[in-house]
Amino acid sequence: ETGVTQTPRHLVMGMTNKKSLKCEQHLGHNAMYWYKQSAKKPLELMFVYSLEERVENNSVPSRFSPECPNSSHLFLHLHTLQPEDSALYLCASSQDGAGANTGELFFGEGSRLTVL
Amino acid sequence: KQEVTQIPAALSVPEGENLVLNCSFTDSAIYNLQWFRQDPGKGLTSLLLIQSSQREQTSGRLNASLDKSSGRSTLYIAASQPGDSATYLCAENSGGSNYKLTFGKGTLLTVNP
Repeated sequence: ETGVTQTPRHLVMGMTNKKSLKCEQHLGHNAMYWYKQSAKKPLELMFVYSLEERVENNSVPSRFSPECPNSSHLFLHLHTLQPEDSALYLCASSQDGAGANTGELFFGEGSRLTVL
Repeated sequence: KQEVTQIPAALSVPEGENLVLNCSFTDSAIYNLQWFRQDPGKGLTSLLLIQSSQREQTSGRLNASLDKSSGRSTLYIAASQPGDSATYLCAENSGGSNYKLTFGKGTLLTVNP
């Protein structure tokens, strides 16, 4: 396995379900990200973990709950979602050096979420 | 609030043509700028990264330029091929950290055989 892998690639869930998205990076990076991509809108940063500590939460609703158990794995736990949460959820990783940023993000293939 | 604008939103060209995609940004205190490619239903692939101290970067048939004073970057694709068909996104990094990466909406490129 190389790069950033995301599972599942497609997910359909009802508004009362609980599900999780998983991301794994095999690049030895120390920062991981969740982005949301909706139609006709720019990518929106949701969460950032650097050295397994959450450093950014862009006012994301509490129905999205991230978890980063180690530097290689990132989860996004979903519960009581709304239809407007349907989107492509992208995971990314980078080598984070605050003040010495490489600037290169590596993305996974994304998880296409549909909320009914 | 930083904004990144990409024009045109969509572009269709015949195979073999040279083309330019445009990206403009509002924050002059740019740290670096990245160009990505996204195929339908897929993730983003990094193409080129230009640091604020650089004026251009090249990779194969791709050349990206950066003009901080005018707030513009261009992605030049030489001798376009049908396999270049994808959405191209630019992202401005203005905070010295990827946490401040602002994406444009992208340009959908179609290269016709």
